[in-house]
Amino acid sequence: DIQMTQSPSSLSASVGDRVTITCQASQDISNYLNWYQQKPGKAPKLLIYDASNLETGVPSRFSGSGSGTDFTFTISSLQPEDIATYYCQQYDNPYTFGQGTKLEIK
Amino acid sequence: QVTLKESGPVLVKPTETLTLTCTVSGFSLSNARMGVSWIRQPPGKALEWLAHIFSNDEKSYSTSLKSRLTISKDTSKSQVVLTMTNMDPVDTATYYCARIQSYYDSSGYKNYFDYWGQGTLVTVSS
Repeated sequence: DIQMTQSPSSLSASVGDRVTITCQASQDISNYLNWYQQKPGKAPKLLIYDASNLETGVPSRFSGSGSGTDFTFTISSLQPEDIATYYCQQYDNPYTFGQGTKLEIK
Repeated sequence: QVTLKESGPVLVKPTETLTLTCTVSGFSLSNARMGVSWIRQPPGKALEWLAHIFSNDEKSYSTSLKSRLTISKDTSKSQVVLTMTNMDPVDTATYYCARIQSYYDSSGYKNYFDYWGQGTLVTVSS
């Protein structure tokens, strides 16, 4: 099975900060990677698909990049409503989620 | 609009079989680009993919749980059913169903969970 390693597992940042989360796959998954946001008590929400495509309606401060085994998720300017846990997910064979990154406001 | 809703027991006993139903609306289970997955999340832990089914009845299961899972669909009822046998307290989790979009476009293959149900918490306890 393909393993997905996210880092950091938790992150504290200030409003307006640039925030970066990384996700590493245990083998080459091309660009077969999605990013989700999950707020407490809620279902996950798709933010980025195919490594870098912004889902319709998602603010442009969210972005993704990478291919192969190394991927990055970025929030260009952190907003209070971005407090959540973020997950990467590969769909090469068949699906695996990362362990999540909990984002808090400093 | 697209909705998915999970239903099933909130409490099951160890060794029992869990049956969960996902009722969908706003799209058809016969749509070639779409499927439905089950995903679970133990309290305070990460998401874990369990199984999926597509319109052509293609099915796939988590390697670690394959022997315990069965997924099926009733297109006429717009329902996807997941059964998990031999439940254990470690299976206590919120169980989600989610729609899969799966297609090829000019830039390649795309596959993602674009709509999710609200989730249903299943507790395994005697």
